[in-house]
Amino acid sequence: KQEVTQIPAALSVPEGENLVLNCSFTDSAIYNLQWFRQDPGKGLTSLLLIQSSQREQTSGRLNASLDKSSGRSTLYIAASQPGDSATYLCAVKTRMDSSYKLIFGSGTRLLVRP
Amino acid sequence: KAGVTQTPRYLIKTRGQQVTLSCSPISGHRSVSWYQQTPGQGLQFLFEYFSETQRNKGNFPGRFSGRQFSNSRSEMNVSTLELGDSALYLCASSRGQGENYGYTFGSGTRLTVV
Repeated sequence: KQEVTQIPAALSVPEGENLVLNCSFTDSAIYNLQWFRQDPGKGLTSLLLIQSSQREQTSGRLNASLDKSSGRSTLYIAASQPGDSATYLCAVKTRMDSSYKLIFGSGTRLLVRP
Repeated sequence: KAGVTQTPRYLIKTRGQQVTLSCSPISGHRSVSWYQQTPGQGLQFLFEYFSETQRNKGNFPGRFSGRQFSNSRSEMNVSTLELGDSALYLCASSRGQGENYGYTFGSGTRLTVV
């Protein structure tokens, strides 16, 4: 059974700091991995999608890596800003019988202090 | 380009009532999935619809049901509401399956059962 874990559960950093969020999964049979951002009471915003055949993806100040063999992904945020404060969720896309579904980690709550 | 639209944004219902939530996917997306988010359980897969067919269902009781129309819009229904059904219900659409395709989420419907 696939399980996704995110560490740390919460993180508080001063503005301008570079930071790394971690995501681990127990079964390497994934199709892709997505990182999402969720603001309080809102839906999910997709940040990056890494296909199972890829090692990393970059978008602006964000860089996500994927190591399927070790069951790990990291989200690197450069030069953090107060607007980056949110909960960050990773999710792996897995096969479920004739279709697919996402299995989510419990998230990392990030606070960037001005 | 319009995103995933969920209506209504907020609902308050009484125990024992039933409720219907609506989701309009991104134009051209044929797959619609539903997830339940609660503080205790996090994000959990409810079901996925593709070409008007339910492809799979998560570990939820039969009170949770849904359907997809020919225009890919989807509805989910919860009958005989319980207090524990209070949650944020999120809909996600995808253009296709396999590793190339990620999910785009709507803003969610916040259901409160009193």
